[in-house]
Amino acid sequence: QSALTQPPSASGSPGQSVTISCTGTSGDVGGYKYVSWYQQHPGKAPKLIIYEVSQRPSGVPDRFSGSKSGNTASLTVSGLQAEDEADYYCSSYAGSNNVVFGGGTKVTVL
Amino acid sequence: EVQLVESGGGLVQPGGSLRLSCAGSGFAFSTYWLTWVRQAPGKGLEWVANIKQDGSEKYYVDSVKGRFTISRDNAKNSLYLQMNSLRAEETAVYYCARVGSWGLRDWGQGTMVTVSS
Repeated sequence: QSALTQPPSASGSPGQSVTISCTGTSGDVGGYKYVSWYQQHPGKAPKLIIYEVSQRPSGVPDRFSGSKSGNTASLTVSGLQAEDEADYYCSSYAGSNNVVFGGGTKVTVL
Repeated sequence: EVQLVESGGGLVQPGGSLRLSCAGSGFAFSTYWLTWVRQAPGKGLEWVANIKQDGSEKYYVDSVKGRFTISRDNAKNSLYLQMNSLRAEETAVYYCARVGSWGLRDWGQGTMVTVSS
């Protein structure tokens, strides 16, 4: 049940793209299609923005996209907007009905 | 509209107990796995426990095994977390969430648990 590895911070100017990585092992990210991403604004509950590696829940803008290669998943936010400034967390199914989260990445819009 | 509302948080001494509740509405409560996730002040998210639709299977993060118990009452659309032998490092906001494809689709607003003497 080790945490997934995310960079602590990422940044970009409005309109640019930013990509966040999430590295695990073959026992979690690499072994299942169940990688999710969450956005959390200060003082608020997390919000699901990507599930099953690349699926977007209804209402989530298509500026948010997800992918996976081997043991590393990625979240890309295209066309950065001021409201995208938030903390982002990845999670993965880790077998035996367990879930593991990443440490979180703070995205700053410059 | 899906709603999850946690309650039961508060101040408790180290070694003490607390029972959290989560009331669900706006969805078929009994057909979803449910989970508890916590977040210590200024820290990241940590999965705590999962429970199957009928309550027959329960899973925990290693650090709470033997001390925390997750349960549910589908007749009352309610999820619970009984926390015993609490430790200072378990001070956190505790969230309940609905699970779908192992993504946490809907979250409550959270309830704060403070473990301190």
